[in-house]
Amino acid sequence: AQSVTQLGSHVSVSEGALVLLRCNYSSSVPPYLFWYVQYPNQGLQLLLKYTSAATLVKGINGFEAEFKKSETSFHLTKPSAHMSDAAEYFCAVPRHGGANSKLTFGKGITLSVRP
Amino acid sequence: KAGVTQTPRYLIKTRGQQVTLSCSPISGHRSVSWYQQTPGQGLQFLFEYFSETQRNKGNFPGRFSGRQFSNSRSEMNVSTLELGDSALYLCASSSRGQGGEAFFGQGTRLTVV
Repeated sequence: AQSVTQLGSHVSVSEGALVLLRCNYSSSVPPYLFWYVQYPNQGLQLLLKYTSAATLVKGINGFEAEFKKSETSFHLTKPSAHMSDAAEYFCAVPRHGGANSKLTFGKGITLSVRP
Repeated sequence: KAGVTQTPRYLIKTRGQQVTLSCSPISGHRSVSWYQQTPGQGLQFLFEYFSETQRNKGNFPGRFSGRQFSNSRSEMNVSTLELGDSALYLCASSSRGQGGEAFFGQGTRLTVV
C-alpha cells in the first residue's frame, strides 16, 4: 500500500521568504499525489494534485509542487511566504487505485510565518 | 456549488454515550469518506461509502459504524464513547471517478468527557 512521509513537523519562515515543505512517497510510483492545507478549526482544502500528466504542478495561492521520481519526492514550494500561509500542510496519496480512494496522509507540517 | 456540510460543528458527550454525526456531500457526488483526526495519530481513514454500500473500511473497532442514504448523505455513529474518541471527524465527498479528488467538510469536533 502507498504511503507518504513528511519530514519535520514544524517549519518557520519569514514573510517573503521561500517556503519548502517536503514529502516523500513510498517506492512505487503513485498515480496521484495531493497536498492539502488546513487552517485552524477548519477542514482540509486541496492545494494541488499530481496526476502524472505533468511533473510540475501549480496549485492555488501561489503554491506549486514538483514530482521527482528519482528522489521519490513531491515537495511543496512557494517563492514568497505570506502571513496568511500559516497553517498545517498535509501530503496524501490514495491507498489503492483511484484518486479519492482511502487517502493515506502524512503527519502534517505546521508552517509559521514571521513578520 | 455548495460544499460538503457537516453537522454539528461541535459536540460534547459523556463516556459511554453514543453519537451520530452527519455529512451532506457536494451535489452529484456519490462517494463519502470519513476520517478521524487526532494530535497523536494524525488523519486516519474510517470508511468509505458509495451508492449506499460500504466500499472500504479502516482499522477501527466495531463501535464505529456508518451508513449512506439514497441521496448520498452519510452518517457515522460511535457507540459506547471513550475518552480517546475525542477528535475532529472529517467527511469528504468525491465523484469517485479516477481523477475525482476528495473535497472535505469543516469537520465535527467531538469532545468526550
